[in-house]
Amino acid sequence: NAGVMQNPRHLVRRRGQEARLRCSPMKGHSHVYWYRQLPEEGLKFMVYLQKENIIDESGMPKERFSAEFPKEGPSILRIQQVVRGDSAAYFCASSPVDGGEQYFGPGTRLTVT
Amino acid sequence: AQSVTQLDSQVPVFEEAPVELRCNYSSSVSVYLFWYVQYPNQGLQLLLKYLSGSTLVESINGFEAEFNKSQTSFHLRKPSVHISDTAEYFCAVSEDGSRLTFGEGTQLTVNP
Repeated sequence: NAGVMQNPRHLVRRRGQEARLRCSPMKGHSHVYWYRQLPEEGLKFMVYLQKENIIDESGMPKERFSAEFPKEGPSILRIQQVVRGDSAAYFCASSPVDGGEQYFGPGTRLTVT
Repeated sequence: AQSVTQLDSQVPVFEEAPVELRCNYSSSVSVYLFWYVQYPNQGLQLLLKYLSGSTLVESINGFEAEFNKSQTSFHLRKPSVHISDTAEYFCAVSEDGSRLTFGEGTQLTVNP
């Protein structure tokens, strides 16, 4: 059973471009969480999704950020018009049930130049 | 609102010495508590967790943590560390098992 997959592992974008980060949960997991880790800081919760539903987006910045978890395919975290402050590691986690143990992916390291 | 404080950002120790990584939390309700370990350029791995029951929880690689409700603490301990334990350790809390709130992390460096 493959673990949580994230791609790309490294992403470089210029200011103003769009960044798309993908997360494939573990097989059988229908709950996905996104966290952001800024340099020298701990992880901060961004959003919690189930298939086709956003359950909790209280940690998402109000503008430029969006997330989806379609019925088929990976979960996508989308950042429009990136700025330098978006440079961070973005981690996805999945769990089989609501409140279940979260399994983390290796992360996507976004660098905005 | 819940929060987590890891009191030490860096903990250097010598190999085979004991270590304690401190974690305090605040929450208005009962919580679940977790310790995660992050090796360089990797994702987080769950080390151990407290959900209910015995306040002392153990991992398979010799770490243990004790939930102390009166002191709102969940300190991580190991009686004898190895070079391979060098990593960043994160304490986390959750009120419902879903959204995790993490501490700032403690970098454990084990020196020969």
